[in-house]
Amino acid sequence: SAVISQKPSRDICQRGTSLTIQCQVDSQVTMMFWYRQQPGQSLTLIATANQGSEATYESGFVIDKFPISRPNLTFSTLTVSNMSPEDSSIYLCSVEEAGRNTGELFFGEGSRLTVL
Amino acid sequence: QQPVQSPQAVILREGEDAVINCSSSKALYSVHWYRQKHGEAPVFLMILLKGGEQKGHEKISASFNEKKQQSSLYLTASQLSYSGTYFCGTAINFGNEKLTFGTGTRLTIIP
Repeated sequence: SAVISQKPSRDICQRGTSLTIQCQVDSQVTMMFWYRQQPGQSLTLIATANQGSEATYESGFVIDKFPISRPNLTFSTLTVSNMSPEDSSIYLCSVEEAGRNTGELFFGEGSRLTVL
Repeated sequence: QQPVQSPQAVILREGEDAVINCSSSKALYSVHWYRQKHGEAPVFLMILLKGGEQKGHEKISASFNEKKQQSSLYLTASQLSYSGTYFCGTAINFGNEKLTFGTGTRLTIIP
């Protein structure tokens, strides 16, 4: 099974600043996803990080606010830009392993952001 | 639209059974079930495909009624380790790895 490392695990940020979250996978994967989970809530898909092309964003999420990079098959970053307290949340990286075809998603431990 | 799960929360004594339901307003191709313990990442339990059979995993099994766009997760003889929040994730197309997660059900097992 894929092992996913996310950094930072948590951070406290000031309003108006930006923070980049890193997601490193120990194997090559085709699909990488970024989810947001607000306290006590469900998971909401932000975008799909595509290797070699722009990310595909879900309704309600835009590239200017959540720019994503995917330089190779094992790494992706999500930036939360111009943060406000409403961005306080857990951000999770998720992958589907290439070739398994089980539909199973593996999740990182998440990055807990608190915006003051 | 987000699938709706019921109940929102349930408390059981160890050894009791539980059923968690997931209902979607859209026609579904697959339903996925995950469990998330507090402060941890969600963990995959099982996937049910359209036209597929009821799945089982130890004392945890699930069914998928594609006509009603509903799925149920059955936990039998619950153990303390079953505590956590359960999410269903739904996909509307084959090969669509993007999941829409349900509202969640918090399960607490007490000794």
